Amino acid sequence: AQKITQTQPGMFVQEKEAVTLDCTYDTSDQSYGLFWYKQPSSGEMIFLIYQGSYDEQNATEGRYSLNFQKARKSANLVISASQLGDSAMYFCAMRVGQYGNKLVFGAGTILRVKS
Amino acid sequence: GAVVSQHPSRVICKSGTSVKIECRSLDFQATTMFWYRQFPKKSLMLMATSNEGSKATYEQGVEKDKFLINHASLTLSTLTVTSAHPEDSSFYICSASPSGSRYNEQFFGPGTRLTVL
Repeated sequence: AQKITQTQPGMFVQEKEAVTLDCTYDTSDQSYGLFWYKQPSSGEMIFLIYQGSYDEQNATEGRYSLNFQKARKSANLVISASQLGDSAMYFCAMRVGQYGNKLVFGAGTILRVKS
Repeated sequence: GAVVSQHPSRVICKSGTSVKIECRSLDFQATTMFWYRQFPKKSLMLMATSNEGSKATYEQGVEKDKFLINHASLTLSTLTVTSAHPEDSSFYICSASPSGSRYNEQFFGPGTRLTVL
């Protein structure tokens, strides 16, 4: 069965520093996709970054990068130069299903950026 | 682009009443939409996959007679919580993937907070 594990319930980071949010996954599929979403206190889910299982390079989107280690089945999110506005819940998710269009989410990590 | 709206954003109802939540894709067509439920400080749980023109596909443990889903058009899916009870109080979020999106990522609505008294 497909599963996403986020072992850090909460993290603190000093403003302007980098932080890594952990995500490990379990799947027997060869083709899959991994996503990170941000959920501020307002509730909306904001797409941050995507990594395909066949992508050879780690994904990057601005201050977000994904440390993809396929053999270890990990897809950690790295946020560089943290900002106060980065304080939110962060979810790692994996695309699964017959047509690869369903998402399975991890438990999430609450990130708090300190000034 | 790729904006998904939900209405209402917040609803309070009495136990036993039914509540309808609308999910619209504003600038794209969506043959498939998804409905999630989220408890406070918890993860999103997929409830069902809404398919335009056909029956929704429910996840294991989700009562299809309790949570009625109708996908009437390529831009609208509705979730009706029938005979709501306090345990149905939750945050309900819908999502959709525009065809041709770069990563086939899902775009989420802003969510509907349901409180059943």
